[in-house]
Amino acid sequence: KAGVTQTPRYLIKTRGQQVTLSCSPISGHRSVSWYQQTPGQGLQFLFEYFSETQRNKGNFPGRFSGRQFSNSRSEMNVSTLELGDSALYLCASSLGTGTRDNEQFFGPGTRLTVL
Amino acid sequence: AQSVTQLDSQVPVFEEAPVELRCNYSSSVSVYLFWYVQYPNQGLQLLLKYLSGSTLVESINGFEAEFNKSQTSFHLRKPSVHISDTAEYFCAVTTRGGGGNKLTFGTGTQLKVEL
Repeated sequence: KAGVTQTPRYLIKTRGQQVTLSCSPISGHRSVSWYQQTPGQGLQFLFEYFSETQRNKGNFPGRFSGRQFSNSRSEMNVSTLELGDSALYLCASSLGTGTRDNEQFFGPGTRLTVL
Repeated sequence: AQSVTQLDSQVPVFEEAPVELRCNYSSSVSVYLFWYVQYPNQGLQLLLKYLSGSTLVESINGFEAEFNKSQTSFHLRKPSVHISDTAEYFCAVTTRGGGGNKLTFGTGTQLKVEL
């Protein structure tokens, strides 16, 4: 099985712009979660989508949004970029059925740099 | 809400020496516990997990971790490290039962194995 893929791998934007990141989960996985990783704040949960519905949400401003398509692929969008949004954005997929063995598989991440 | 504390930000160790990476957690409900490893410019890989049963869990590459409920700890150990173990290690928790996926991570421990 192919792993979790994220595109693009690297992105450079300027303040005020918006950006869309994409995540393709492992085939058969219905849950996609997004995390932000920065040197200062570490790994922080953004949100989770399951069957096209947001199931969990972290403590991020409304500039951060996401969606999930019927094929389980997910996108996250950040509007009005700030310098502090520079980070590695990680996507993780899982079966999402709530079983005790619901392991999350992570993609390689998208490195976003805001200038 | 849960929190995870990894007291050691960096742990230098010589090759073939033993190592322990410490992890303590706080939660008002029962949790599942995980250790993830991150190599440079890569996503996270699951190293091992505690769901229930035996409090000692092992990985295929020689790492082990022991769940201690009274001390709310989940320390990671390896009796003899290799250069290839150099990476960043993250301890994480998630709530037992349904409700979706939301991992709460510690700040990470950089393990540096030296010759």
